[in-house]
Amino acid sequence: AQKVTQAQTEISVVEKEDVTLDCVYETRDTTYYLFWYKQPPSGELVFLIRRNSFDEQNEISGRYSWNFQKSTSSFNFTITASQVVDSAVYFCALIGGAQKLVFGQGTRLTINP
Amino acid sequence: DAGITQSPRHKVTETGTPVTLRCHQTENHRYMYWYRQDPGHGLRLIHYSYGVKDTDKGEVSDGYSVSRSKTEDFLLTLESATSSQTSVYFCAISESVLQTGELFFGEGSRLTVL
Repeated sequence: AQKVTQAQTEISVVEKEDVTLDCVYETRDTTYYLFWYKQPPSGELVFLIRRNSFDEQNEISGRYSWNFQKSTSSFNFTITASQVVDSAVYFCALIGGAQKLVFGQGTRLTINP
Repeated sequence: DAGITQSPRHKVTETGTPVTLRCHQTENHRYMYWYRQDPGHGLRLIHYSYGVKDTDKGEVSDGYSVSRSKTEDFLLTLESATSSQTSVYFCAISESVLQTGELFFGEGSRLTVL
């Protein structure tokens, strides 16, 4: 069975602080994709990144970076110099051979001015 | 943006009434999914479809049925709505996530069962 765990239910930081959102996954598939989505207060799901299981390179996109480590089954997301607009619920998700996307419980991130 | 629309976007109904949510796509993608989102649970898969007339259950399928009679439409039906089915429902589509890595979500349908 596949499972995604986001142990941090809520995080609150002051603007300009760095913050890391944790994601741990379980799967028996050798080929899979990992995702991060952002859900702002408006409610839509915004795609941030996808990573396939064969690519362990870390990725940086502006203030966002992702650390994928197969050895620890983790795909953590870091926001550097956080801004109020980063406030949202963030979801980590996994899809494997069964083509069923499984989500974590989400982390509510609040950035205070 | 991917051509995916959900209808209705908002609905209020009473316990015991049937409800159908529609997901319509213009991308000709093979896979379609229905999720529900509830606080503390994230998004949970209800049902998904891997082709016309081909569907399978997700982790929270009790009380829901689906149908896909043509590629572009995936219907989610609550035969007799209950208050526990008050939720936000999201549809998603994909040609094949393992090949393309792409998954597209609709804007969500908020259902309130009184």
